[in-house]
Amino acid sequence: GESVGLHLPTLSVQEGDNSIINCAYSNSASDYFIWYKQESGKGPQFIIDIRSNMDKRQGQRVTVLLNKTVKHLSLQIAATQPGDSAVYFCADLNNQGGKLIFGQGTELSVKP
Amino acid sequence: KAGVTQTPRYLIKTRGQQVTLSCSPISGHRSVSWYQQTPGQGLQFLFEYFSETQRNKGNFPGRFSGRQFSNSRSEMNVSTLELGDSALYLCASSLVVSGKVTQYFGPGTRLLVL
Repeated sequence: GESVGLHLPTLSVQEGDNSIINCAYSNSASDYFIWYKQESGKGPQFIIDIRSNMDKRQGQRVTVLLNKTVKHLSLQIAATQPGDSAVYFCADLNNQGGKLIFGQGTELSVKP
Repeated sequence: KAGVTQTPRYLIKTRGQQVTLSCSPISGHRSVSWYQQTPGQGLQFLFEYFSETQRNKGNFPGRFSGRQFSNSRSEMNVSTLELGDSALYLCASSLVVSGKVTQYFGPGTRLLVL
């Protein structure tokens, strides 16, 4: 079946460094991906999305890269701050509509 | 604009009981999806409602059910609770813009089954 997976369960970075969180997906028909950030005690918060007709999309301090050939996407956070500490999920919006398939998540820790 | 709200935020039940959770979507959003989040299984899709109709369903037993009202508010019900139903239940509402469906999540209801 479909799956969305992350390469690392935890990532620790120094404040000010760049962070890269990776994600792989299995469904070659997937055409819309979303990154979410979840802080402790809160629901997932939308960060950035990308459609399959794009390779790259930039937001404020975040960039998502999509490689459809190897079915891989990554989230890059520039100048990581303590407030970026959270669990990050990639999600694939199922073509049937309102069904997100989530990866297991990567916990990002930012060291001051 | 107010975000997605979920009530109650915390709930403790015992095995065999049933529970009803409520979700109010963002104003104007007509689609509501429900997810279960556990440490072991992560975030798993339960079902989605659009215009009072269940449009999509995940792989959960029939003990899990839901409905949506004409004002887009949604409820989910779990009957005959089991210990394994302890989880964070998340509701997300969405609006289709230019063909993109972005889901916005509420804070969740944390259910503990004893």
